[in-house]
Formats: sequence, structure tokens, C-alpha cells
Amino acid sequence: DAKTTQPPSMDCAEGRAANLPCNHSTISGNEYVYWYRQIHSQGPQYIIHGLKNNETNEMASLIITEDRKSSTLILPHATLRDTAVYYCIVGLLGGGADGLTFGKGTHLIIQP
Amino acid sequence: EAEVAQSPRYKITEKSQAVAFWCDPISGHATLYWYRQILGQGPELLVQFQDESVVDDSQLPKDRFSAERLKGVDSTLKIQPAELGDSAMYLCASSFGWWRERDTDTQYFGPGTRLTVL
Repeated sequence: DAKTTQPPSMDCAEGRAANLPCNHSTISGNEYVYWYRQIHSQGPQYIIHGLKNNETNEMASLIITEDRKSSTLILPHATLRDTAVYYCIVGLLGGGADGLTFGKGTHLIIQP
Repeated sequence: EAEVAQSPRYKITEKSQAVAFWCDPISGHATLYWYRQILGQGPELLVQFQDESVVDDSQLPKDRFSAERLKGVDSTLKIQPAELGDSAMYLCASSFGWWRERDTDTQYFGPGTRLTVL
């Protein structure tokens, strides 16, 4: 079972920041938080991941709370092309670890 | 930018027929995953390979599904016989795996194969 809880859907106005919340209260000390998104009928696309520090790349920022029980993905200037299902996943990759367990994600709709 | 390749992109078959899907991971990726995604749900892991060895196939319906990665590179997922409930998107993903540090490894997905069983 997925170890995360996300709202099923969210709206955001084009040009505004989209803030997607995720709860992961049972996260283990060595587990990472990964974010993927899936645009309709395409394969999931990697966005960002982090352990405990905030992370930023060209796509988004990831803010993880100090207790690591929740996180927020921030798309700073949302465009219509950001409309997708966003998955927050807790798990491990690399070092011989297991794959990722996806939940149902958040359907983010960017409004013009 | 390197990508995970999958074929075919779409497959329509009748129930009781055999179908096969092919995946070519990103070069250098030791770990390969097959996922199934039913409409409206997130991807569900079916099988995971480390090089040519299966490391997790606990969710693979072994009475009808089989997967192989003979040379530790590309992989084939087969369904025989197909059933109506197998209609779904089948996704392949790869990652560097066991020899990569955890904070730098990520999983990359292919475009998927949309299977429709009539």
C-alpha cells in the first residue's frame, strides 16, 4: 500500500504558484520523498526527490518539514502544460533497494 | 537525452490470445521494472529485475504472465492467455540500481503500451 496521502484534485490559476501537499507520517529514516507527474496517456515523469533538506531544480521545489512527516511540491509559475496527475512517493532507489509504490496522486488542473 | 523505449505503443487483442511487450531501458541501468496501470489508478509494480535476475515478482500473476531479461539489457513481458481484466497501460521503467548511491538514483519511465482486450 502507498505510504502517502494526497488530495485527489486541485486547481491553480495559470501563472501562479501551485503548491501540492503530501502527508507521509510513517516515513522511515532512510526513505526518500519522490515526486513524479503523469500527463494524460504518457509514462510518469520524474520531477524531484529529497531526503530531509529542501531541494530545487529547473522544474520545481520540494519542501520537507523538519519532522519529515509531510512535504510540499511547488511549481513556481504554473502553465497549462503542468496539468497532470502528481504522485508523491516514499521509498528507496539505488543501493539494491526496492521500487516505488504509487498511490492515486493529485490531479492538478491549471486554469487559464 | 536517453529514454526508455517500449513497443508496441498500442495493442488490441482478443481474450485467450497471447500478447508480448518489449522494453529497452536506458543504457547502463541495471534495474528494470514492469508496472501495470489501470485507468484512474497509479502504476502497480509487477516485476523487478536486477541485471538478468528477478528480485521481486510477488505481484505478477504467474499463471498467465511471464517476464524475462535474458542478457540483462532489454526485457519482454508476456501474457498468455489474455483476459478482459488485463486491459491496462503497461509501463517499463529503469534505474541505475545496486551500484548507484541512493541520493542520486531515480527511476525513468517509458511511454507505455496501452493494451485493450476484447
